[in-house]
Parts: sequence; C-alpha cells; structure tokens
Amino acid sequence: KNEVEQSPQNLTAQEGEFITINCSYSVGISALHWLQQHPGGGIVSLFMLSSGKKKHGRLIATINIQEKHSSLHITASHPRDSAVYICAVDRFRDNQFYFGTGTSLTVIP
Amino acid sequence: NAGVTQTPKFQVLKTGQSMTLQCAQDMNHEYMSWYRQDPGMGLRLIHYSVGAGITDQGEVPNGYNVSRSTTEDFPLRLLSAAPSQTSVYFCASSGGSNTIYFGEGSWLTVV
Repeated sequence: KNEVEQSPQNLTAQEGEFITINCSYSVGISALHWLQQHPGGGIVSLFMLSSGKKKHGRLIATINIQEKHSSLHITASHPRDSAVYICAVDRFRDNQFYFGTGTSLTVIP
Repeated sequence: NAGVTQTPKFQVLKTGQSMTLQCAQDMNHEYMSWYRQDPGMGLRLIHYSVGAGITDQGEVPNGYNVSRSTTEDFPLRLLSAAPSQTSVYFCASSGGSNTIYFGEGSWLTVV
C-alpha cells in the first residue's frame, strides 16, 4: 500500500485548458511537496506546503490537512508544461520523503 | 550555483561488475539520499545520510553501499551489478528549509 496516491496517472490536455492533479495521503505529515520532472531530465521542486495555498505564475497548489489531500492546478496550460508531476510528503520534517508514482501530463498545441 | 551534481549520466554495466555513482552538493546540506526510479513506481529510497559519518538504509538497500566522509559527497556503490538494478538513480539533498534538490539522474543499464 502506497502512503501517497496520485490521480490521474496520465493526463492529456489541449493548450489553454485548466488542469488539476490530485494527491491523497494516508499518514500524518509536516509538509507536502510538488515536484516536476521533464522527460530525460532531472526533478525540480515546485512547491512545499504545510497549509493553505501557494501560487507561482500559472501554478497553484492547495492542501487540506484535515482531508489529507492536495491539488496542483495549472491555469492556461502550455505545451512546455508537459512533464511528470510528483507529489511527496515529509512526515516528521526529518527529510525522509514518501513519493507518489507521478502524473504524466501532455499538453497538445 | 551547482546545486547537486551527479555523475555519470549514462552507464552500461555487465552483470557482476562494480561501479560508483558520484553525488556532490555545495549547499552545506546535512541530509543526502539516493533513490531509484522504475516505471510505474514512485521514487524509492535506497540509502540516506543525516550528516558526515552517518548513513542508514532506506526501502531498497540490497546490493548497494554508501559512505559519507564529507558533508559534500555521498557516493553510491554497486558491488556486483545485477539486471534488477537497471534503473534511473537520483541523488538528492535537503537542509533546514526541507526543500528537496535533486541531481540530474543517472541512467544505468545492467546487461
């Protein structure tokens, strides 16, 4: 059983669409991270959340601690947003992370 | 800023060979870790270190060794490579802010 579940696994969108990727977790956490991985490339951190909502450009991340759920939204999606988005949780602020399997996003022009 | 530097990027090994994946960070992070990424699975923790001289096993440690002689470096050694170790390997580091920094990844094929 994976402590972190993401949905959907795969997502195809037309350029300009609003996109939502979901992450649910089953353990208590101190923080949740959203990561982005481009094909053939490394992994970069997009957000770290412990409560509420954060926004960076067209990306918005929200978290509901009571419901153990987080969402990553992309507004006005663009082909360059095509990547795998990974949710990770940090349970005790001890830098030990649990990862979801990722959501593969393809944005078509 | 170099961040996390991981080498080599690509490697083909024969079964039974040994090799070392190098990882270095220049952010003075205490916590470093190695993950493997396989299709359909999330990143899985191989070994981690909370500081120089301290290492511990993660979820999938068998077949791998690590050491942490300095804060900067955290090499991963495959002692006798097996086809099951064909994977993409990522080194990561994090510090007080808990932001995770990853290396570029190492694609390893064992034939």
